[in-house]
Amino acid sequence: KQEVTQIPAALSVPEGENLVLNCSFTDSAIYNLQWFRQDPGKGLTSLLLIQSSQREQTSGRLNASLDKSSGRSTLYIAASQPGDSATYLCAVGGANNLFFGTGTRLTVIP
Amino acid sequence: NAGVTQTPKFRILKIGQSMTLQCTQDMNHNYMYWYRQDPGMGLKLIYYSVGAGITDKGEVPNGYNVSRSTTEDFPLRLELAAPSQTSVYFCASNAGAETQYFGPGTRLLVL
Repeated sequence: KQEVTQIPAALSVPEGENLVLNCSFTDSAIYNLQWFRQDPGKGLTSLLLIQSSQREQTSGRLNASLDKSSGRSTLYIAASQPGDSATYLCAVGGANNLFFGTGTRLTVIP
Repeated sequence: NAGVTQTPKFRILKIGQSMTLQCTQDMNHNYMYWYRQDPGMGLKLIYYSVGAGITDKGEVPNGYNVSRSTTEDFPLRLELAAPSQTSVYFCASNAGAETQYFGPGTRLLVL
């Protein structure tokens, strides 16, 4: 069974810093990997989707990488802003399922 | 284009009561999913559907039922509510191995 781990569980950084969130998974036979953002009391917003054949995806200040062989993905956030404060969830795509990590709660301090 | 909508937003049930959580999507997606999220935990798949008339169990299906009579709707039924079903329920949809779009969630409290 796929297990997804996210480290750290929580992270506080001053505004303007670059930061990296980590995700690891146990089974490399994946279809894709997604990064989501979740604000308190809200649903999930998809940030980036990396297909299994891809190595990275970029959207604005966000860059996600995927290394299937080592079972790792990273989400890089450049020049962090207070509006980036949220929980970031990594999800690994199987045939008909997404396996989620427990998330990293990010706080960007003005 | 409303995306994925869920009703109700919040509900309190007594033990043993039943209810249906509604989910509708207007993106003509074949695939729809129900997840639950417990505090401090990741989301876990309850049931999913790959098209009208086709449903299958996910990781945690016990205590729930689903149906998919149309492409747009995917209701989740709780027959005998238990405290262990206190959670936030999310519905999602996509067009196969692509981005999943999530609804805003239904917060359920069983007392």
